[in-house]
Amino acid sequence: KAGVTQTPRYLIKTRGQQVTLSCSPISGHRSVSWYQQTPGQGLQFLFEYFSETQRNKGNFPGRFSGRQFSNSRSEMNVSTLELGDSALYLCASSLAGRDHNEQFFGPGTRLTVL
Amino acid sequence: AQSVTQPDIHITVSEGASLELRCNYSYGATPYLFWYVQSPGQGLQLLLKYFSGDTLVQGIKGFEAEFKRSQSSFNLRKPSVHWSDAAEYFCAVGEEIGSSNTGKLIFGQGTTLQVKP
Repeated sequence: KAGVTQTPRYLIKTRGQQVTLSCSPISGHRSVSWYQQTPGQGLQFLFEYFSETQRNKGNFPGRFSGRQFSNSRSEMNVSTLELGDSALYLCASSLAGRDHNEQFFGPGTRLTVL
Repeated sequence: AQSVTQPDIHITVSEGASLELRCNYSYGATPYLFWYVQSPGQGLQLLLKYFSGDTLVQGIKGFEAEFKRSQSSFNLRKPSVHWSDAAEYFCAVGEEIGSSNTGKLIFGQGTTLQVKP
């Protein structure tokens, strides 16, 4: 079974631009979560989608948004990029995202904002 | 709010030596606990998980962890470390609100393991 895939793997953007990251979960997984990883803040939860609905949201500004499609693929968007948005963005999928469901992570998208 | 603490930011062990990485969590009637490993430039790989039952859980790559409710700990161990184990290790707990798991993982700050030849 193929793992979680994320595209692109690397991105370089400039301040003020927007960016869209994509995540394809493991086949059959309906929950997709997004995390931001930085050296200073560590791993922080952005949001979780299940059956095309945002079910949980972390403490990030509204510039960070996401969506999930009917095939469970998910995208996250960051508008008006800031230097501090430079990070590794990790996507994780699970069967249902709740009890007894471990999350499987993709390789991440490395975003650099100049 | 729930939290996870990994007291050791960096640990160095010699190849072949035993390893114990510490993890303490706060709150959680029945915590869902995980250990993940991350190699440079990679995503997170699940090593093992604890939901209930036997407090000593076995994982991949020869790792094990023991859940101790009285100490709010979930320490990761390996009897003999290999050079390929050098990586960053994250302990995580599933967030609970009320008695329900939200699906969100709360991570510790990570422990970087260096292995000396």
